[in-house]
Amino acid sequence: RKEVEQDPGPFNVPEGATVAFNCTYSNSASQSFFWYRQDCRKEPKLLMSVYSSGNEDGRFTAQLNRASQYISLLIRDSKLSDSATYLCVVNNLGGRRALTFGSGTRLQVQP
Amino acid sequence: SAVISQKPSRDICQRGTSLTIQCQVDSQVTMMFWYRQQPGQSLTLIATANQGSEATYESGFVIDKFPISRPNLTFSTLTVSNMSPEDSSIYLCSVATSGSYEQYFGPGTRLTVT
Repeated sequence: RKEVEQDPGPFNVPEGATVAFNCTYSNSASQSFFWYRQDCRKEPKLLMSVYSSGNEDGRFTAQLNRASQYISLLIRDSKLSDSATYLCVVNNLGGRRALTFGSGTRLQVQP
Repeated sequence: SAVISQKPSRDICQRGTSLTIQCQVDSQVTMMFWYRQQPGQSLTLIATANQGSEATYESGFVIDKFPISRPNLTFSTLTVSNMSPEDSSIYLCSVATSGSYEQYFGPGTRLTVT
């Protein structure tokens, strides 16, 4: 079983749609959780950290369910510029603070 | 956040040779890491670059193949030694500051081995 699992997609959605991505992680001792965005041939960029209480940043909402070891990302009112690969990322290496990346979910927003 | 640069941005190398990739940060950072992203894959951690001591390597990566230096808090190098076509990949450095698990990535070095 992979340490971080994501649906690879692609998700093809029209502009203005709401889309949700899910991610599961295997290590119950994981401490920190993130969503990164990666555009084609670019480096990953931090989109948002994910907290147990859930957090929102504009059109983006992230949720964490520790009991189910599940992370989600909701994007409302999708824009063409949201087209990218979204990486679910977990710190599960304790004090070493290194990250484990999911394989990513590709989103294509269409006009 | 810190500005991170990598050199070279890309290179094409012959098998059996070595390439050293540089990562420079515009401010002092606590942690520096090296990742590999093979074609169509996600990122895999190679090692944590420790200032003033040997790097900490992940399973499947060894110092003889991927020697790493970190002479100070703003600079690190990764060498890919005795390259084979299987080493063709994007190599990325990342940084994290004290007290934070958030990491920020350099633009990457795209390596092709022929």
